[in-house]
Amino acid sequence: DGGITQSPKYLFRKEGQNVTLSCEQNLNHDAMYWYRQDPGQGLRLIYYSQIVNDFQKGDIAEGYSVSREKKESFPLTVTSAQKNPTAFYLCASRKTGGTEAFFGQGTRLTVV
Amino acid sequence: GQQLNQSPQSMFIQEGEDVSMNCTSSSIFNTWLWYKQDPGEGPVLLIALYKAGELTSNGRLTAQFGITRKDSFLNISASIPSDVGIYFCAGQLALSGGGADGLTFGKGTHLIIQP
Repeated sequence: DGGITQSPKYLFRKEGQNVTLSCEQNLNHDAMYWYRQDPGQGLRLIYYSQIVNDFQKGDIAEGYSVSREKKESFPLTVTSAQKNPTAFYLCASRKTGGTEAFFGQGTRLTVV
Repeated sequence: GQQLNQSPQSMFIQEGEDVSMNCTSSSIFNTWLWYKQDPGEGPVLLIALYKAGELTSNGRLTAQFGITRKDSFLNISASIPSDVGIYFCAGQLALSGGGADGLTFGKGTHLIIQP
């Protein structure tokens, strides 16, 4: 089945560590996105990529990094510079020229 | 970024009641999307609207694209326990190039159903 897969579902990180969240899609979509979700905040855009080897900062990019080496994959690294990383992270994709975004199941990151 | 005002923030209703929620903005949108998010899961697309005045149904759900293109409404009829969750609106700005900065999300409506 076509879809967008995030892993892991739950992730625990010690303070000062970098962690990488995986996002893979087999929908042949060009555009991929990372959002952060906190209670009462809605969805806030971290980074997005509209084509392989290119990506742009969203509204809250500080403390995060991404890569887009393959069309299917858009991993997000939460660095030690992110001061409040505990949140629910959502990956999404859209086809070129389309408006409907499709989401993965999310990764809940907790700093311990 | 652009702001979408989604209301109400939360709703406490009895099973069987009808539900109404809406999103408004000062900006004009080309597309309105409505999503539902179950606890601990990603949002799932319920309804997409592409034309001002459009009224679209998906089972017990009905959504409308406002005539002014600045608002959208979602109605749920005869609510059932599995309707519990967070409902998000999202709009594609009319003046955007279709990129990521053109898709704006509301903060969500928490629907809670009391037995």
